[in-house]
Amino acid sequence: DADVTQTPRNRITKTGKRIMLECSQTKGHDRMYWYRQDPGLGLRLIYYSFDVKDINKGEISDGYSVSRQAQAKFSLSLESAIPNQTALYFCATSDLSEGGLETQYFGPGTRLLVL
Amino acid sequence: AQSVTQPDIHITVSEGASLELRCNYSYGATPYLFWYVQSPGQGLQLLLKYFSGDTLVQGIKGFEAEFKRSQSSFNLRKPSVHWSDAAEYFCAVGSGYSTLTFGKGTMLLVSP
Repeated sequence: DADVTQTPRNRITKTGKRIMLECSQTKGHDRMYWYRQDPGLGLRLIYYSFDVKDINKGEISDGYSVSRQAQAKFSLSLESAIPNQTALYFCATSDLSEGGLETQYFGPGTRLLVL
Repeated sequence: AQSVTQPDIHITVSEGASLELRCNYSYGATPYLFWYVQSPGQGLQLLLKYFSGDTLVQGIKGFEAEFKRSQSSFNLRKPSVHWSDAAEYFCAVGSGYSTLTFGKGTMLLVSP
């Protein structure tokens, strides 16, 4: 089984709809992240959480919200989807167990199309 | 602020030829550096990472990278490319006290 799972893998929605992307991990990591990937722009950080009670905005948080339901679960919501939120979304996890060296492990991604 | 530059958007290499992908970073302290690979339709897989010690780092799939502090670079190399190496490659910089910053990626095409 995959260590980091994302659901759904693909989603088509309409402008103005609220949608939620979910991420679960079995790695036991405290830190979780949401990124979006757009062609030519690489990965940009939306939100991150260093533990269950900690939520932080990333580079491009406008139009998004998150919920850290448990150590293993981190959800990303688009309150009112718009077409320029069409992208590939990745969840990642990490910890500092390697003497402070943080390695991020990625889920398979969710491809979102907003019409 | 930390940043990563991958100067090449696309690179085409013949199968069996050597490969070097460039990565330059800007970071105020000792950087942690990473290379990830993304195959079509897949998530990102860690190839290798550098924190300290030997500046030549070995990774999976026959890849290596060399950290050069004087040039603020962390270039990825492979002596002989295989068709299955065709993918997008991302360099990233960060530390345990900050989030990772990714470059915009280099798409590797492998010609027969």
